[in-house]
Parts: sequence; structure tokens; C-alpha cells
Amino acid sequence: GAVVSQHPSWVICKSGTSVKIECRSLDFQATTMFWYRQFPKQSLMLMATSNEGSKATYEQGVEKDKFLINHASLTLSTLTVTSAHPEDSSFYICSVPPGPNEQFFGPGTRLTVL
Amino acid sequence: SQKIEQNSEALNIQEGKTATLTCNYTNYSPAYLQWYRQDPGRGPVFLLLIRENEKEKRKERLKVTFDTTLKQSLFHITASQPADSATYLCALDAGNNRKLIWGLGTSLAVNP
Repeated sequence: GAVVSQHPSWVICKSGTSVKIECRSLDFQATTMFWYRQFPKQSLMLMATSNEGSKATYEQGVEKDKFLINHASLTLSTLTVTSAHPEDSSFYICSVPPGPNEQFFGPGTRLTVL
Repeated sequence: SQKIEQNSEALNIQEGKTATLTCNYTNYSPAYLQWYRQDPGRGPVFLLLIRENEKEKRKERLKVTFDTTLKQSLFHITASQPADSATYLCALDAGNNRKLIWGLGTSLAVNP
């Protein structure tokens, strides 16, 4: 399976600041990556599909201007949470689908907005 | 819309016993169904995938069944070990672009 890393693993920031989260596919060239958010005791919620070389596709209810996604290369996608607020505090996870079915996930990034 | 139901209550079993977790879906039968393991503060880890035309799939101590009539998948861990303690997630294909629909997961605790 694909090996996926995320950076940082956790971040604490002040309300109103922006935070960038990186997702790297270490051994697989990924034209597509997925970004999820998971609140405590909740299921994984797909936020957007990151497409290499083109615009991301956002799920209904996810603000594209607030959650900026850049997939500049086949091994790196970034998610920037702009003007973060406490309600954005969550666990953000990316995944790489090396094939049509299973997905391989990064270790996740815990964001806490004060 | 498709909904997934997994046992919301935590499952506690004794080491060595077989753990059985349930995943029920409500709408269309997916082309495939997947099971993942998630440890606290970590991303999910892929375990098994079973297709709609397969009734059973095995991998070491894991076994998954898929009953499209009952709209249910069962996930079994035989000879369970404390290291199997985690949350187990069921996911179905959403029918387009490799997207998945996720269950809430069932927490399993294997007691020594």
C-alpha cells in the first residue's frame, strides 16, 4: 500500500490565523488525494478531493475559500485553514487511493484553535 | 441517501475469543465494502475489502462476510488479542470517483 505522511502532527493556533497542513505520498504518485475531517466520536467526513494540476472538488457545505487546497505535485497536497476559529478545531486526515478501491491514510493532524 | 450503522456501544471481549462487529447499510448495495482499523489520534488503516459478488473474505485472523440480501457485513477477529483493541470502521463506496461513505465505528476492547 501507499505510505502517506502528514505535517504537522498537531498544531495550536490563535483564532484568526491561517494554518497549512501538508500531505505527502512517499512511495506513490497520486493524481488524487482526499481530505477528511473527524470530530470526536464522529465518523470521517470527506471535505474535498484534491486533484493534481487542477482545482479541488469540495463536498457540499465545505467552504472552498476557507479551506484552500493546493495539489501542486504528484506527491504533495496542502490544506490551508484560513482565518481559523475554535469551531475549526478537529482532526484533519488525508488519504491516497492508489487504486480504484482502498485508501491509505496519513497519520492525521490535530488542529486546536484557541 | 446511503446510511451506515455500526454498533454504537463498545464491545468488550476476553482475549482468545472471537470478536464480531456488524455493519448495516440502508439503501443501495455498494459495489464493495471495506473495513478499517483506527487507533486513537491516528488515521485509519485499511484491513479488508469485499466485493458485492463475494460472500466471504479472509486475511490471517480476520474474516469479513457480505450479505447483500440482509444489507449487512460482519467483521470477525478470531483468537483476539489485547493488541486488537481499537475502533473498527466500515466504509462503502459512494458510487463515484472512489469516494467512500463511513460508519461511526465500533470500539473493541480485548481484555487480557
